[in-house]
Amino acid sequence: AQSVTQLDSHVSVSEGTPVLLRCNYSSSYSPSLFWYVQHPNKGLQLLLKYTSAATLVKGINGFEAEFKKSETSFHLTKPSAHMSDAAEYFCVVSDRAGNTGKLIFGQGTTLQVKP
Amino acid sequence: EAGVTQFPSHSVIEKGQTVTLRCDPISGHDNLYWYRRVMGKEIKFLLHFVKESKQDESGMPNNRFLAERTGGTYSTLKVQPAELEDSGVYFCASSQEGTSGRAAYNEQFFGPGTRLTVL
Repeated sequence: AQSVTQLDSHVSVSEGTPVLLRCNYSSSYSPSLFWYVQHPNKGLQLLLKYTSAATLVKGINGFEAEFKKSETSFHLTKPSAHMSDAAEYFCVVSDRAGNTGKLIFGQGTTLQVKP
Repeated sequence: EAGVTQFPSHSVIEKGQTVTLRCDPISGHDNLYWYRRVMGKEIKFLLHFVKESKQDESGMPNNRFLAERTGGTYSTLKVQPAELEDSGVYFCASSQEGTSGRAAYNEQFFGPGTRLTVL
């Protein structure tokens, strides 16, 4: 069975400092991994995705994630936080076992950015 | 291009009543998914349509939930009768490609969700 675990439910950073949101996955297959973001009262937006190409994935708004098979991790980073980054972030794995593409979500991490 | 839309944005009903949620996917997207987030829990898959056919409904909680996708376009999710534990945010998502082997790689575009409150 596939699963993802987001290691922090809340992360607080100061504006201009680095962001690290941690995610570990479990998968019997070579996984397809995603990070989605949800701003208040908005739908989920894809930040980036890993589908077995380059292990360092660049996404929108300056976010990156690195796929580390040996550590079964897919942590999300950004060098410098902006106030507009405050949102809830979801680490997601695609269920390739059933080939339906259904997504399996982590519990979510709320990012707070302080001025 | 319009994104995924959902209606209504909020719904407050009494236990035992019926509610119907609607999702309009991005035009041309064969795959349509429903997900739900109950307060305090993670977002969970409910079901998956490919065009008008249910591909996977393994996440549907029970037979009080009925999903349809008329003509492979918009989809409805009916809850009848609603119970307190059905409260949550219901998300719809759509993606391209009708062949299930590719579905796992494709970005799903999400709607803003419908917040359902059952009193």
